[in-house]
Amino acid sequence: EVQLLESGGDLVQPGGSLRLSCAASGFTFSTYAMSWVRQAPGKGLEWVSAVSGGGGITFYADSVKGRFTISRDDSKNTLYLQMNSLRAEDTAVYYCAKGGRKTTVITSLDYWGQGTLVTVSS
Amino acid sequence: EIVLTQSPGTLSLSPGERATLSCRASQSVSSSYLAWYQQKPGQAPRLLIFGASSRATGIPDRFSGSGSGTDFTLTISRLEPEDFAVYYCQQYGPSPGWTFGQGTKVEIK
Repeated sequence: EVQLLESGGDLVQPGGSLRLSCAASGFTFSTYAMSWVRQAPGKGLEWVSAVSGGGGITFYADSVKGRFTISRDDSKNTLYLQMNSLRAEDTAVYYCAKGGRKTTVITSLDYWGQGTLVTVSS
Repeated sequence: EIVLTQSPGTLSLSPGERATLSCRASQSVSSSYLAWYQQKPGQAPRLLIFGASSRATGIPDRFSGSGSGTDFTLTISRLEPEDFAVYYCQQYGPSPGWTFGQGTKVEIK
């Protein structure tokens, strides 16, 4: 059974940093692209970032480019999102999600974690 | 960036009725790289449809997707009580900057 468990969400001040983790199990983690998607309170879904299987290729939404860094440790079956220079508008539930097709990052997201809440406020 | 516009914003229907949800893209979506997700309150999204018309694993056949280019549709043939939720379309074409529509809420009439 595929499981994705996010952690690391917290209350942080504007300008601060936070690192989210997503522990994966139930599939061959290294062969699938992974993504982060966020949802502000009461709002819709926003794709944030994606990383290819193996970690060689990364993509970012313009809203987070230069501030967030996605990475993965395939030896630990774990996905990360390093978030720097946080802003109030980054407040959201952050979901990690698994790519539906092996290897490629051009894929829908077939499994999602339950999310972790990041609140940016003074 | 491709903008996806979903309509209507809210659909009020009764169980057993047919639901038709629309997703229109600001430019053509490559090779039908279009997905639909269902989200219930307090839950993570669930993949329903990928490639515009292929059902994900375990999705009942009352859910179907169609369309190409800039116009896509999710149809629920007969609404079950558990289908009342918010539905999002997403494009995941070859150019990064994948986007979601703003969502359609299907509520009980």
